[in-house]
Amino acid sequence: GENVEQHPSTLSVQEGDSAVIKCTYSDSASNYFPWYKQELGKRPQLIIDIRSNVGEKKDQRIAVTLNKTAKHFSLHITETQPEDSAVYFCAASNKGSYIPTFGRGTSLIVHP
Amino acid sequence: NAGVMQNPRHLVRRRGQEARLRCSPMKGHSHVYWYRQLPEEGLKFMVYLQKENIIDESGMPKERFSAEFPKEGPSILRIQQVVRGDSAAYFCASSRFDTSSSYNEQFFGPGTRLTVL
Repeated sequence: GENVEQHPSTLSVQEGDSAVIKCTYSDSASNYFPWYKQELGKRPQLIIDIRSNVGEKKDQRIAVTLNKTAKHFSLHITETQPEDSAVYFCAASNKGSYIPTFGRGTSLIVHP
Repeated sequence: NAGVMQNPRHLVRRRGQEARLRCSPMKGHSHVYWYRQLPEEGLKFMVYLQKENIIDESGMPKERFSAEFPKEGPSILRIQQVVRGDSAAYFCASSRFDTSSSYNEQFFGPGTRLTVL
């Protein structure tokens, strides 16, 4: 089955800095890669996703890159703000499964 | 447009009791997924259901756990004879089923936090 590794487990940055979270996956058939943000005590919410037919996608301060050859994808947050503080989960799934495999999460702390 | 609903939000049970967790998917969604989240860990898939069918239960323990999604009413995750190790947050997610797309975005409910004393 699919195995998703996520790093780092904790990331601490100063407000205004950039943050990068990296994930690797094992199943070459995976073709959909969503990212979820979970604030303390709340539900995971989709913030951005990328499909295997593109290498990069951007939405305001958030961008995701995908390298299918190397089987890794990354989340980039620029100009971080304290409200970006949360746990971020990457995931990977494929058409045959519809069930994403999640990484263990990265706790992002943005210091004002 | 109500999102995914889960109840109760918090549930306290003593060892040996039964826990019933309910999930109402978003309107128009026919697929439900249950996940378990332990403190400081990721989301672990448990079971995937469509109306009246269990599609994939590979992540669910073979004993004490069961799930259903009846034709009418919410999906229910049932844990019999709970033990302390069952204490966790249980999240439900729902999605549409779009045969024209390979991707079915999942929308999560607020979760049920189960505490076993």
